Amino acid sequence: GIQVEQSPPDLILQEGANSTLRCNFSDSVNNLQWFHQNPWGQLINLFYIPSGTKQNGRLSATTVATERYSLLYISSSQTTDSGVYFCAVGTLTDSWGKLQFGAGTQVVVTP
Amino acid sequence: DAGITQSPRHKVTETGTPVTLRCHQTENHRYMYWYRQDPGHGLRLIHYSYGVKDTDKGEVSDGYSVSRSKTEDFLLTLESATSSQTSVYFCAISAGYETGNTIYFGEGSWLTVV
Repeated sequence: GIQVEQSPPDLILQEGANSTLRCNFSDSVNNLQWFHQNPWGQLINLFYIPSGTKQNGRLSATTVATERYSLLYISSSQTTDSGVYFCAVGTLTDSWGKLQFGAGTQVVVTP
Repeated sequence: DAGITQSPRHKVTETGTPVTLRCHQTENHRYMYWYRQDPGHGLRLIHYSYGVKDTDKGEVSDGYSVSRSKTEDFLLTLESATSSQTSVYFCAISAGYETGNTIYFGEGSWLTVV
C-alpha cells in the first residue's frame, strides 16, 4: 500500500514563530487532507488539497502531486495550534474517502 | 460541526464480552467510516460503508463487524473484546465529491478492555 511519511515528528515553537510541516507519499493520490488533533483528542479537518494551494487564516497548504509531497504552513503560531497534525492520502484505486494516515507531527507552541 | 455523534464516549468492558459502538449522523451523508487510533500506529481504518447495507473491510477488520441499516447510523461491534482492542475509536463521514470529499470525524469513543 501507499506509504505516508511526515516530518518532522516533533516540533517545538515559540508563540509567533512560523513553521513548515511536510508530508511525502509514495504513489499517485487523488485525495489528500490535513487534520489537526487538539490536546483533547478532537480531530479537525484543515484542508482537502489533492493539488494546488489553499489558505485559511494563518494556515496554508500546498500539494505538488507530481512530486508526491504536501506542505502545511503555520504562520504566527499560537498556543492553540498545539497538537498533532496528520496528513492523510487516498489513491485512485481506493474506494471513496478511504485514507491512509501518516504518523503525524507533534507540535508544541510555548508562550 | 458535521453532526456526528458517537456513543458511548467512554466504556470499560471485560475480555470476551461483546461491545457495540454507535455512530449517528444528521446530514444524510452516504459514506461512513470507523477508525481506531493507537500510539505508534496512528489512525487505521477498520470498516467503512458506502450506503445502507453496503459495507467493506478496512486495514484492521479482524475481530470487528459493522452494520448500517439506516443512512444515519453506523454500528461497530467487537464480537468478543480482547485487550488488544483497547483503543480510541473514531467515526468519520465523507461529505462527498460535490463538497470536495472532506472527511469529518466524530469526537471519539475511548474503549478499555480489562
